[in-house]
Amino acid sequence: TQLLEQSPQFLSIQEGENLTVYCNSSSVFSSLQWYRQEPGEGPVLLVTVVTGGEVKKLKRLTFQFGDARKDSSLHITAAQPGDTGLYLCAGSGGKLTFGQGTILTVHP
Amino acid sequence: DTEVTQTPKHLVMGMTNKKSLKCEQHMGHRAMYWYKQKAKKPPELMFVYSYEKLSINESVPSRFSPECPNSSLLNLHLHALQPEDSALYLCASSLRQGQDIQYFGAGTRLSVL
Repeated sequence: TQLLEQSPQFLSIQEGENLTVYCNSSSVFSSLQWYRQEPGEGPVLLVTVVTGGEVKKLKRLTFQFGDARKDSSLHITAAQPGDTGLYLCAGSGGKLTFGQGTILTVHP
Repeated sequence: DTEVTQTPKHLVMGMTNKKSLKCEQHMGHRAMYWYKQKAKKPPELMFVYSYEKLSINESVPSRFSPECPNSSLLNLHLHALQPEDSALYLCASSLRQGQDIQYFGAGTRLSVL
């Protein structure tokens, strides 16, 4: 069974601060997705990383895939209240394996 | 267009009712999924359909009955549910089963009284 450990589980910060969310596994994934979910809505795909060592940027969000394709990180620069939500990493290897999620709250 | 449409958005039902959740996508995806999600937790896989055939049933109780009438539609029939079945039910689709990117619908918020 593939497992993805996501940390931290909760993050409460002030507007303008930076933050990083981590996803780690002992298993290799063919790709890894990051989703953001608001209450009462479905997860929205932010990015897919496929190649070991890959770095992708989406405005203030930077995503990295580890060289061995076992871990990933999401870094947000200058967080805004609109970034508030549940962030999920999900590894692909047949089925999607989800991390436990990070609940991010950005206070104005 | 990466839209997966789910109806209804909200559903309240009693334990003796029969209801159905619907999901639709027009992206030409041949794999469709049902997930159950409790508050502040990740989605849990329930069923997978591949080319309109049930591929995976994650030991879901028989009070949940999936159906895939064609490649664009996925239903989840509900009967004799329990209050603990209250959750957000998510539908997703991907190009093929095991393909990397799954696109999710907005979900149906189900409350069982």
